[in-house]
Amino acid sequence: EDQVTQSPEALRLQEGESSSLNCSYTVSGLRGLFWYRQDPGKGPEFLFTLYSAGEEKEKERLKATLTKKESFLHITAPKPEDSATYLCAVPPRGSTLGRLYFGRGTQLTVWP
Amino acid sequence: EPEVTQTPSHQVTQMGQEVILRCVPISNHLYFYWYRQILGQKVEFLVSFYNNEISEKSEIFDDQFSVERPDGSNFTLKIRSTKLEDSAMYFCASSRGLAGGRSETQYFGPGTRLLVL
Repeated sequence: EDQVTQSPEALRLQEGESSSLNCSYTVSGLRGLFWYRQDPGKGPEFLFTLYSAGEEKEKERLKATLTKKESFLHITAPKPEDSATYLCAVPPRGSTLGRLYFGRGTQLTVWP
Repeated sequence: EPEVTQTPSHQVTQMGQEVILRCVPISNHLYFYWYRQILGQKVEFLVSFYNNEISEKSEIFDDQFSVERPDGSNFTLKIRSTKLEDSAMYFCASSRGLAGGRSETQYFGPGTRLLVL
């Protein structure tokens, strides 16, 4: 049973065209939701941590929000350098020792 | 800015051989992790390590895998007898700890690409 589902699988945007990526989760008693960026052949690069419904975090063109069932990563006026795979991760139900369960990611391509 | 480092960046080995992947976690972090990512698939948890012992391990982390913190800075993953299906990117991560029931952010290294022939 998938605990993290990300959509869409792939997204192509023209430079400047804002959009949102979705991460829905089924874990109850969420102890954190993490967004990472991954470039091809590289390790996940930390973006945001969210803990509570209603929480928002921003960094440059990215804003992450959290509700009780899902998180959104909003990308405002993206640039080609924002092209990457964006990963969402949560600690799974029953794990208290740091394990993270990752979604399959959204592959974002921003073209000029 | 402190970061997790991993060596080697690439490793090619023959099936049945032993490999050791090395990691230097961020210096003031207390929890260490190994994950792997098979090409085109999700990042998967292997093991977490705290206070010189395994805290949690996944179903993937069977008897052919072991982890060790041989000194104050390195954290290693050993695969005793590699199989073709062990070919993957292996990521080390570290975090400060677990605070008040919340998971702390894990910071990942650049990975070691392991190819088993």
